[in-house]
Amino acid sequence: EAEVAQSPRYKITEKSQAVAFWCDPISGHATLYWYRQILGQGPELLVQFQDESVVDDSQLPKDRFSAERLKGVDSTLKIQPAELGDSAMYLCASSFQLRNTEAFFGQGTRLTVV
Amino acid sequence: AQSVTQLDSQVPVFEEAPVELRCNYSSSVSVYLFWYVQYPNQGLQLLLKYLSGSTLVKGINGFEAEFNKSQTSFHLRKPSVHISDTAEYFCAVSDLIERGKLIFGQGTELSVKP
Repeated sequence: EAEVAQSPRYKITEKSQAVAFWCDPISGHATLYWYRQILGQGPELLVQFQDESVVDDSQLPKDRFSAERLKGVDSTLKIQPAELGDSAMYLCASSFQLRNTEAFFGQGTRLTVV
Repeated sequence: AQSVTQLDSQVPVFEEAPVELRCNYSSSVSVYLFWYVQYPNQGLQLLLKYLSGSTLVKGINGFEAEFNKSQTSFHLRKPSVHISDTAEYFCAVSDLIERGKLIFGQGTELSVKP
């Protein structure tokens, strides 16, 4: 069964360090999402891609977060520098197209900033 | 703007008992409604969705939900729970175009006790 792949599953980093997460969507899925889930809360959308283009990054803290999907396939989310408040689960999801299709979620990356 | 309120943060229940997890939403436009389940340190799995048609929706693992437009609710039910149903449950909404762009509630932790 096709899955959204994310790595690493767990990451511990010191504050002020840089950290990156990788996501490989289901093959053929044009739309990719990054969500952040703080412990005890529901996920919140950070950024949405359609192919290699950013569709919505209105909730992405652009002073420290960046996201790219250079070839329209896999994607990287980076935080530099990491802060204690960035500790969360980072979830990647993909859907076949922008409209009228559900998103499938990966297993997530659990980030702990110490 | 859309918002989702899950009325119970924790629901303890004994095995084989029925359960209802409550979800209310607010939106100025028509929405689609979803329930997702998240097991510890895992991603989100779609339980069921309401797009149109019958207001009673059946999903995986014996869960069902009923859409009530007048009360803007989408409560999740299961007639008899198992230990394996212990997890976090999230209610979510999307607009009618982009189903992957989700607004989530805060989650309800279902704890099934023997």
